[in-house]
Amino acid sequence: QKEVEQDPGPLSVPEGAIVSLNCTYSNSAFQYFMWYRQYSRKGPELLMYTYSSGNKEDGRFTAQVDKSSKYISLFIRDSQPSDSATYLCAMSYTGTASKLTFGTGTRLQVTL
Amino acid sequence: DTEVTQTPKHLVMGMTNKKSLKCEQHMGHRAMYWYKQKAKKPPELMFVYSYEKLSINESVPSRFSPECPNSSLLNLHLHALQPEDSALYLCASSQALSGGDTQYFGPGTRLTVL
Repeated sequence: QKEVEQDPGPLSVPEGAIVSLNCTYSNSAFQYFMWYRQYSRKGPELLMYTYSSGNKEDGRFTAQVDKSSKYISLFIRDSQPSDSATYLCAMSYTGTASKLTFGTGTRLQVTL
Repeated sequence: DTEVTQTPKHLVMGMTNKKSLKCEQHMGHRAMYWYKQKAKKPPELMFVYSYEKLSINESVPSRFSPECPNSSLLNLHLHALQPEDSALYLCASSQALSGGDTQYFGPGTRLTVL
């Protein structure tokens, strides 16, 4: 079993839809949770960073962490064609020298 | 400013060539990373530098040789690569090497080995 599981998609939604992207993890030591967006042939761009359980909102993006269920989500409201990208979840814990464990990435396509 | 720059953007090299990838950041970060990313896969960690010293080598073949000349620069020297080494090479940096430090990635160098 992988430490971090993420549905690879592709996920296709119409413009304006609410998108839910999810990762589950098995290592309860993970404390820090990130979402990166990666456009084709570009480097990953940090979207959200959360530490504790609960929700964190930034514009159209909301990151949710449920440590009891070992489950994290990224919600995108009013999705736009420019949101079409691969979304990678990543996580780490103190003592790992900032080593990130990534999910496999979910490819999202927002259509007009 | 959270910018990490990488040069070149694209590189094509033969298996006998020697080339170098360069990475630069001016955020005052003291940890820098090299990752390799194959198509439709997440980035794989190769090396980590902390305060210009090699901290982590993820059992990378010796044909990849990292160098950190100063706190802002990170190089990856390539020699006698194989076609399977073709990938996107990403540089990243973070404040330090504690578990919660956020890593910021550069745009990558797309390497093709012929």
